[in-house]
Amino acid sequence: NAGVMQNPRHLVRRRGQEARLRCSPMKGHSHVYWYRQLPEEGLKFMVYLQKENIIDESGMPKERFSAEFPKEGPSILRIQQVVRGDSAAYFCASGGRGAYEQYFGPGTRLTVT
Amino acid sequence: AQSVTQLDSHVSVSEGTPVLLRCNYSSSYSPSLFWYVQHPNKGLQLLLKYTSAATLVKGINGFEAEFKKSETSFHLTKPSAHMSDAAEYFCVVSGSGTASKLTFGTGTRLQVTL
Repeated sequence: NAGVMQNPRHLVRRRGQEARLRCSPMKGHSHVYWYRQLPEEGLKFMVYLQKENIIDESGMPKERFSAEFPKEGPSILRIQQVVRGDSAAYFCASGGRGAYEQYFGPGTRLTVT
Repeated sequence: AQSVTQLDSHVSVSEGTPVLLRCNYSSSYSPSLFWYVQHPNKGLQLLLKYTSAATLVKGINGFEAEFKKSETSFHLTKPSAHMSDAAEYFCVVSGSGTASKLTFGTGTRLQVTL
């Protein structure tokens, strides 16, 4: 029973490039959450999605960031025109319908040079 | 709105001695509370959860936590620390109902010495 999968594990981008982070939830889970962890800080909620729907994007920056969870395939967190301040670990979590807990993937560590 | 406050940013204990990591919460409704552990450069692992059932919750690796509504606390304890317990621990509160976003505390780094 595979857990939450994220790829790539490490991503290096130059300023101005685009970053695409992928997340495959645990089997049977239909809820996906994205969190960002800045160095030496806790995780901050970004967005909550179900298949083809954004449920809560209250933590997403207003510009350059977008997320999707298509009917088929993984969830994608997309960051356009990256800046140095986007350097962080991005974690995806998944949860089952009716569940309180979330299960986290190993994270994608984004470095912007 | 909900929040959690982890009262210690660093805790150091000797191997074999008890562990206490403190957490206070604030919530306008009956909260669901969690403790997660993060080892260096790793993802997060769920240690235990409280979802309005028994107030004393047992988790993995010998950890447990007690929900105290009168004190708005959810402290994490372990009777005897092991070297492998050295990690970052996060107290977390969930939004109202299931399938809600999680709000994390700032974390407590646990150091275990010989």
